[in-house]
Amino acid sequence: AQKITQTQPGMFVQEKEAVTLDCTYDTSDQSYGLFWYKQPSSGEMIFLIYQGSYDEQNATEGRYSLNFQKARKSANLVISASQLGDSAMYFCAMKFSGTYKYIFGTGTRLKVLA
Amino acid sequence: DADVTQTPRNRITKTGKRIMLECSQTKGHDRMYWYRQDPGLGLRLIYYSFDVKDINKGEISDGYSVSRQAQAKFSLSLESAIPNQTALYFCATSDSGQGLQETQYFGPGTRLLVL
Repeated sequence: AQKITQTQPGMFVQEKEAVTLDCTYDTSDQSYGLFWYKQPSSGEMIFLIYQGSYDEQNATEGRYSLNFQKARKSANLVISASQLGDSAMYFCAMKFSGTYKYIFGTGTRLKVLA
Repeated sequence: DADVTQTPRNRITKTGKRIMLECSQTKGHDRMYWYRQDPGLGLRLIYYSFDVKDINKGEISDGYSVSRQAQAKFSLSLESAIPNQTALYFCATSDSGQGLQETQYFGPGTRLLVL
């Protein structure tokens, strides 16, 4: 069965430090895309970063990078130099080749401490 | 201006009332989706539409209906609202031409409370 797991319901990080949010997935497909979204307390879902299963290099977008380990089926989000505005829920999601469907994890709530 | 807009942003209604949530997009995407989000349950797909004439049920469509009035507009109706439909509702869009990188872009959400 295809499944996304985010094992950390909540995390704290000190401002200016780096933090890693875990995401593991279960699939036998070889072709898939992985996405991370941020949901601040205001509620909107903001797309952060994408990684394709065939991409050899880890994706980066500004302070966000994706630590993709295909053999371990993990796609962890790394936020460098945390800021207070990074406090939010973070969702990992997955899409498979030939389908419209996204599978979402249950999210990790990150709190950045001043 | 936001690429995906939803109206209203907040709504309080009573059990049994019919309500409509509206979504518009300026991204030119062909695919549109309605999700609901409940605490601890993540996002669940209600309906999706690949184009104006192609509308499909998602995993939790009971009690809901949709209309794709144009490529840019997709509305969700609750025919007779009930309290367990209290949730945060999202509209999303995507471009089917992007393959695996087909990213879903979300509207700001509508908070619905059914009393």
